[in-house]
Amino acid sequence: DVKVTQSSRYLVKRTGEKVFLECVQDMDHENMFWYRQDPGLGLRLIYFSYDVKMKEKGDIPEGYSVSREKKERFSLILESASTNQTSMYLCASSLVGVYEQYFGPGTRLTVT
Amino acid sequence: DQQVKQNSPSLSVQEGRISILNCDYTNSMFDYFLWYKKYPAEGPTFLISISSIKDKNEDGRFTVFLNKSAKHLSLHIVPSQPGDSAVYFCAASDSYNTDKLIFGTGTRLQVFP
Repeated sequence: DVKVTQSSRYLVKRTGEKVFLECVQDMDHENMFWYRQDPGLGLRLIYFSYDVKMKEKGDIPEGYSVSREKKERFSLILESASTNQTSMYLCASSLVGVYEQYFGPGTRLTVT
Repeated sequence: DQQVKQNSPSLSVQEGRISILNCDYTNSMFDYFLWYKKYPAEGPTFLISISSIKDKNEDGRFTVFLNKSAKHLSLHIVPSQPGDSAVYFCAASDSYNTDKLIFGTGTRLQVFP
């Protein structure tokens, strides 16, 4: 079974803090994704990576950056957290050319 | 603009009856569609998919129908069970962007006894 793990299930941070969300997958998938889920807005793609050190902006990259130094690990960075970044963050992975993505359990981030 | 739309934010169905969840899309380049199911505090899990070369795909209690001319797909769950209560997302992709999925806004299904 594909396993995608995220470093924290719940996180509370203060406005202006730098926040790191970590994601690890164990199935040697080339693609990794970061989404945020908000009520009424569904899942929106923040960034995705198709290889180590390769990344592409998604639909809502503003205020976020990513890092992929190893194939199995994909990090989402909030450079200076703001209250409008309070959300559920979901990481996913997939093989190249395969539509199905496997998701982690999510990190509920609250920025106060 | 929302390329994949789920116009019903919620649906309530009695146990044993049919649940029908709908999804509309605007991009005619989409040629593969997926449904995901999400329980609270868990990540979405893949449920069923369909390629645009088909108009129906069935897996146990779950059937997805695709109407390309109407740019519409639907997920049928028969019979519905209380454990089906979750948020359902449809997603779409095209052959030129196989790595990315466009998700709808989700429909919350509640199946009551």
